[in-house]
Parts: sequence; structure tokens; C-alpha cells
Amino acid sequence: KNEVEQSPQNLTAQEGEFITINCSYSVGISALHWLQQHPGGGIVSLFMLSSGKKKHGRLIATINIQEKHSSLHITASHPRDSAVYICAVRQTGNQFYFGTGTSLTVIP
Amino acid sequence: EPEVTQTPSHQVTQMGQEVILRCVPISNHLYFYWYRQILGQKVEFLVSFYNNEISEKSEIFDDQFSVERPDGSNFTLKIRSTKLEDSAMYFCASSLGLALPGELFFGEGSRLTVL
Repeated sequence: KNEVEQSPQNLTAQEGEFITINCSYSVGISALHWLQQHPGGGIVSLFMLSSGKKKHGRLIATINIQEKHSSLHITASHPRDSAVYICAVRQTGNQFYFGTGTSLTVIP
Repeated sequence: EPEVTQTPSHQVTQMGQEVILRCVPISNHLYFYWYRQILGQKVEFLVSFYNNEISEKSEIFDDQFSVERPDGSNFTLKIRSTKLEDSAMYFCASSLGLALPGELFFGEGSRLTVL
């Protein structure tokens, strides 16, 4: 079983701030996913990572396989970024483990 | 843009009844998944399905649960005899594959309420 820890659990930021959400896991993985869950409950995939760094618009995701750690960064945060951000890891095979999520609120 | 669709969006059932949740994955995707999220809790993996068989399942996915791809397009989750603790949001997802980028595409979810 893979223990997936996210921090912080809750985060409030002013519009424009740079945001970092962290994820650590306990067992080797084949891939790590960052997901965004909207207030209505729907889930959208942001990134899938197995190494290095990916960037999409204002979002950047990094992963350090040796340290079993990933970060999600949001630059120039905006109120529409308010959501729950979830880290999920896929182990060899196709078993997934999810973090508890980080609830982000961006205040105008 | 292709999307994963789920029906029903909300189902209310009596304890002990059978429930079937339906999903239509993205048409060229090869891997299909069911996850659930009990209200206020984290998302939990239930099962993954590939090549017409289960490839992985969690300890939650006991004999009361089954999955099927009856017609090459639908992917269903059946709960044989629902319990109160089965009340949750159930998400279907699909991905293109493991070797290729395996980004997950989620449906909007089916909320199951067991009374």
C-alpha cells in the first residue's frame, strides 16, 4: 500500500500569489497524477508525471523520484483556481492511491 | 472534445437493492477505472479494467461489486446488494494506455444514495 501525503490541507491565498502544493508518497510508483476537483465535484486531470517537470499555462508540476516527492505550483493565482487539488500515484500495474487533497481558496 | 459520460448523475436506492452505474469511456481508450468518493473523504480506487478483464482491484472491491464491458462501448459497475456505506460519488475514468501517456479522463460522477 502506498501512503500519499499532501500539504497543506487547506490554503488561502491572495489573487496573484505564487502557490505550492506538496505531495509525498511512500512506495515506488510508475506515475503521479495531479487532479483538480471543482466545487461541484467533477475531476479534471492536470498532469501526469513520471519524471522531471511539466508546465501548462500557469501550472507547473515537478517530481523527484528519488525523494518520492512532487510539487504543484500555480503562478499568478486567480480566484478561478479555487478548487481541491489531489495527488494520485499509480503503482506498477494499475493500482492507484490518492492523497486527501488540498483545498485552495484564492481571494480577489 | 471527447469526454467520459456517466449515467445516472444521481441514484437513490433502498438498502439491499442492486444498482448499475454506467459509463461510456472515450472511444479509443484502452483502460477503464472506477473510483469512489464518500462525502468529505478522499477519492478511493476501486478497480481497473483492460482487455475485457480486471487488471487491478482494491480491497474495497469485494464480491458485492462487479464490472462489465457488455457491448464494447459501455463500462458498468454493479453493486449487488447495496449497503448504507456504499453511499458515495462514483467516478468512471479512462486512459489511452500504460505505455503511452496514461492521462486519466474522468466522468462527472454518479452520486449514489442508499437509504
